[in-house]
Amino acid sequence: AQSVTQLGSHVSVSEGALVLLRCNYSSSVPPYLFWYVQYPNQGLQLLLKYTSAATLVKGINGFEAEFKKSETSFHLTKPSAHMSDAAEYFCAVSQAGTALIFGKGTTLSVSS
Amino acid sequence: NAGVTQTPKFQVLKTGQSMTLQCAQDMNHNSMYWYRQDPGMGLRLIYYSASEGTTDKGEVPNGYNVSRLNKREFSLRLESAAPSQTSVYFCASSERGLNYGYTFGSGTRLTVV
Repeated sequence: AQSVTQLGSHVSVSEGALVLLRCNYSSSVPPYLFWYVQYPNQGLQLLLKYTSAATLVKGINGFEAEFKKSETSFHLTKPSAHMSDAAEYFCAVSQAGTALIFGKGTTLSVSS
Repeated sequence: NAGVTQTPKFQVLKTGQSMTLQCAQDMNHNSMYWYRQDPGMGLRLIYYSASEGTTDKGEVPNGYNVSRLNKREFSLRLESAAPSQTSVYFCASSERGLNYGYTFGSGTRLTVV
């Protein structure tokens, strides 16, 4: 069965610092991988997705993620955090023919 | 604006009451989904509909039923609400099937007392 693990339920960074949110997946076949962001009292927005094309995926708002098959990871990064990046971030995985399975989420706090 | 519309946005039910959460999308998407979000649990799939006329159980289907009324609408019904069903419910849709990005509604916050 497929699953996704997000390491760290809460990450705190200073404005301008590197953002690194960790995601590891478990899948018996090549997966599709996604990162979503949720701002308070809102639905989820797609940040980026990996669907077996380039291993480095660029998304919206300056975020990117790298698919590493050998490490079964799909970590989300942003070189310089902004106050507006404070939100909850979800990693998700699916295989062909299955719906998305979400991780438990990581709350990102950004301090000035 | 195009997207996924959920109604109602907030609801309080008494234990044992029933209700239906409505979801409609105007993007001509084939697949639709219902998730629940609980603190520290992420989003868990309740039911999904890969295409009009089909529905399948997800991870936590007990206590729920769904209807894919047409291509646009996918409703979630609680027949006899329980406090454990207190949650935020999200509907989502996707254009090209199960493996592509989903568009989410803004959610229904349900409290069962």
